[in-house]
Amino acid sequence: NAGVTQTPKFRILKIGQSMTLQCTQDMNHNYMYWYRQDPGMGLKLIYYSVGAGITDKGEVPNGYNVSRSTTEDFPLRLELAAPSQTSVYFCASSDLTINSGANVLTFGAGSRLTVL
Amino acid sequence: AQSVSQHNHHVILSEAASLELGCNYSYGGTVNLFWYVQYPGQHLQLLLKYFSGDPLVKGIKGFEAEFIKSKFSFNLRKPSVQWSDTAEYFCAVSFKAAGNKLTFGGGTRVLVKP
Repeated sequence: NAGVTQTPKFRILKIGQSMTLQCTQDMNHNYMYWYRQDPGMGLKLIYYSVGAGITDKGEVPNGYNVSRSTTEDFPLRLELAAPSQTSVYFCASSDLTINSGANVLTFGAGSRLTVL
Repeated sequence: AQSVSQHNHHVILSEAASLELGCNYSYGGTVNLFWYVQYPGQHLQLLLKYFSGDPLVKGIKGFEAEFIKSKFSFNLRKPSVQWSDTAEYFCAVSFKAAGNKLTFGGGTRVLVKP
């Protein structure tokens, strides 16, 4: 059981380039998330999805796009990379149950992106 | 907007010392509370969680946390730390009013000296 798999682990981009961070989960979780982690700032939610075909903005969505065509995959796209997008990106998933409302996340290993 | 505050950015202590990390959240009605840990070079892992019931919850590796509703706090404790507890610790809260999305605190880096 692989859990949440992210690729690539590391990437260096030039300003203005575009790229896609891939995220796949094999736990049949409905909910998927993209966070960015910056030193001293904790994790900030970029986008999330409650199921295939449904996505919504989090706290810091500007400069990013997502899609959710299947339950398993939730790619994050950067269209015009900027230095402010230098960060560590984490994908996560959860199986939010209606009864408990409890949201336990399983995280991927992270993708470190540097924009120069 | 809902927010989560962690009191210390960095904590340095020696092995066998006691650890307490503070976490406070803004008022938001019904909440679920979590502590996640990120060991060096690893991804975030769940340390413990509180949904309901006994406000003193026990997690893995000897950690515990106490939910004090009147203080909007969920402090993490460990009576005697080990070098292997060196990590970054994140408090997280899901607010029912915000659709149960997790809001993270800024994290506390803990360094345990051998």
